[in-house]
Amino acid sequence: GENVEQHPSTLSVQEGDSAVIKCTYSDSASNYFPWYKQELGKRPQLIIDIRSNVGEKKDQRIAVTLNKTAKHFSLHITETQPEDSAVYFCAVYLGGYQKVTFGTGTKLQVIP
Amino acid sequence: GAGVSQSPRYKVAKRGQDVALRCDPISGHVSLFWYQQALGQGPEFLTYFQNEAQLDKSGLPSDRFFAERPEGSVSTLKIQRTQQEDSAVYLCASSLVWVRNTEAFFGQGTRLTVV
Repeated sequence: GENVEQHPSTLSVQEGDSAVIKCTYSDSASNYFPWYKQELGKRPQLIIDIRSNVGEKKDQRIAVTLNKTAKHFSLHITETQPEDSAVYFCAVYLGGYQKVTFGTGTKLQVIP
Repeated sequence: GAGVSQSPRYKVAKRGQDVALRCDPISGHVSLFWYQQALGQGPEFLTYFQNEAQLDKSGLPSDRFFAERPEGSVSTLKIQRTQQEDSAVYLCASSLVWVRNTEAFFGQGTRLTVV
């Protein structure tokens, strides 16, 4: 099955700095890569996604890059704010239906 | 409703007790997924429905776990003879159609604690 690795597991940054979270995957057939943000006790919510025919996508302070050859993709958050503090999960869609494989999560702490 | 609804939000069960967790997907969503999320971990796939058909149950950890979606809308995840290792948040997600690359919306989950 698909194997998704996510690093780092925890990340602390000063407010205003950038944060980068990386994921690697094993199945080259995967072609949809969403990122979810999960605040404590709340549901995962989609924040950005990228499809395999695109190398980069940006939405305000959030961007995702994809390297299909190397089978890795990254989440970039610029000008971090305290409300960005949460656990972030990468995910990979595999198969003819949406069987999502999640990474192990990154706990981001933005220090005011 | 506007989103995926799960009930109960919290459930405490004595070891050996049976539990039933309910998921109300977004109206019209064909696909429905159940995930198990242990503390500090990412969600782990349990099972998938397309309408009323259970197309994949490969993630169910044992035969004590059973899921159904008889009318293609509401789904129930049942755990028989609960064990302490079943303690986790159980997340339900639904998406609109059976195609790749379609956003799945999550419910808030049911936190199950087995004592």
